Amino acid sequence: EAGVVQSPRYKIIEKKQPVAFWCNPISGHNTLYWYLQNLGQGPELLIRYENEEAVDDSQLPKDRFSAERLKGVDSTLKIQPAELGDSAVYLCASSLSQGHNLPNEQFFGPGTRLTVL
Amino acid sequence: KQEVTQIPAALSVPEGENLVLNCSFTDSAIYNLQWFRQDPGKGLTSLLLIQSSQREQTSGRLNASLDKSSGRSTLYIAASQPGDSATYLCAVDSSYKLIFGSGTRLLVRP
Repeated sequence: EAGVVQSPRYKIIEKKQPVAFWCNPISGHNTLYWYLQNLGQGPELLIRYENEEAVDDSQLPKDRFSAERLKGVDSTLKIQPAELGDSAVYLCASSLSQGHNLPNEQFFGPGTRLTVL
Repeated sequence: KQEVTQIPAALSVPEGENLVLNCSFTDSAIYNLQWFRQDPGKGLTSLLLIQSSQREQTSGRLNASLDKSSGRSTLYIAASQPGDSATYLCAVDSSYKLIFGSGTRLLVRP
């Protein structure tokens, strides 16, 4: 079974340029997450989707970040314009959410390492 | 606000040792706790998930315990091997939102 797929794996851009990341979750997983991981830190949630609905985007800097999950499967995270401080690893995860009485194990993709020059 | 702390931040042990990694969290209202492994430049690999109603989970040489009332979890690794070298992260699930610690960097020396 294929895991969470992300592309590109690496991206180098100049500041003020736009950038987009793509994620394909595990087949059948209804919940999709985007996390940001800075060097030496644990990941932090940016946005969570239940099917095609963004149910938690409280941590997403909406002035420059946007995300979409059309048809409740693939998702794209965009930054426009990118700033130097956006250099980090962007991780996508998915899970099969069935209520709090059942385990909600999250599975992560390999991440996209963004460098903003 | 939920905060997760992992101690120690780094650990170096000789091969064959048994070791314990610690994780503490400030709010006991969690649904589950997950331990992950992260190799350099890679994503996170799920190792164990403990539901809030459980006390421990085991997988091979790994055993994770959870004491929700005291806000603590431990990851026990038996007979460590050089291939266990990685960063270990714990994360608590508070309503489908994983809150991570900063991780413990483990080096197992041959």
